[in-house]
Amino acid sequence: AQTVTQSQPEMSVQEAETVTLSCTYDTSESDYYLFWYKQPPSRQMILVIRQEAYKQQNATENRFSVNFQKAAKSFSLKISDSQLGDAAMYFCAYSTNTGKLIFGQGTTLQVKP
Amino acid sequence: DTGVSQDPRHKITKRGQNVTFRCDPISEHNRLYWYRQTLGQGPEFLTYFQNEAQLEKSRLLSDRFSAERPKGSFSTLEIQRTEQGDSAMYLCASSRGREWEQFFGPGTRLTVL
Repeated sequence: AQTVTQSQPEMSVQEAETVTLSCTYDTSESDYYLFWYKQPPSRQMILVIRQEAYKQQNATENRFSVNFQKAAKSFSLKISDSQLGDAAMYFCAYSTNTGKLIFGQGTTLQVKP
Repeated sequence: DTGVSQDPRHKITKRGQNVTFRCDPISEHNRLYWYRQTLGQGPEFLTYFQNEAQLEKSRLLSDRFSAERPKGSFSTLEIQRTEQGDSAMYLCASSRGREWEQFFGPGTRLTVL
């Protein structure tokens, strides 16, 4: 069975600095998708970035980028130039071959002004 | 496109009562997912539909839970004989397919007294 692990329950970053959130996963599949979702307090979950496992190139979306290490089964999220609005809970998620998402435990990101 | 909507947003019920939640997905999305999220945790998959067919159910979905998606449009999730352990946020998400992102609704927060 696939599992997703986020080992950092909480992280803190100074505004305008860079922070990296860690995620590891376990799977025997070769074709899958990985996602980072953001859940602000009392607000709905939104997609931050996605990565196709067959692509070697790391995905980038503006200030957000990933470091995808397929062999190591690692999928970290880097947030550059952190903003106050980035404060939220971040979930790493694995998409199985049926499309259901398996989420990690989440990392709460605090951004300090 | 108004996004995924869920109704009600909050539900307080007494133990033993039945409750029903509704989810309206994005209109062109043929996949619809239900997840359950407890405080401070990542969402856990419950079940999913492709069009009107329910294709997968989690072991978390006991026989007190039932979900439907008539005509492949909106979906309902019913919990019979609620228990205090059912207290959680119930999230609905929809997507165009496995490789596409899931768009989440705001969730229904259930409190069982």
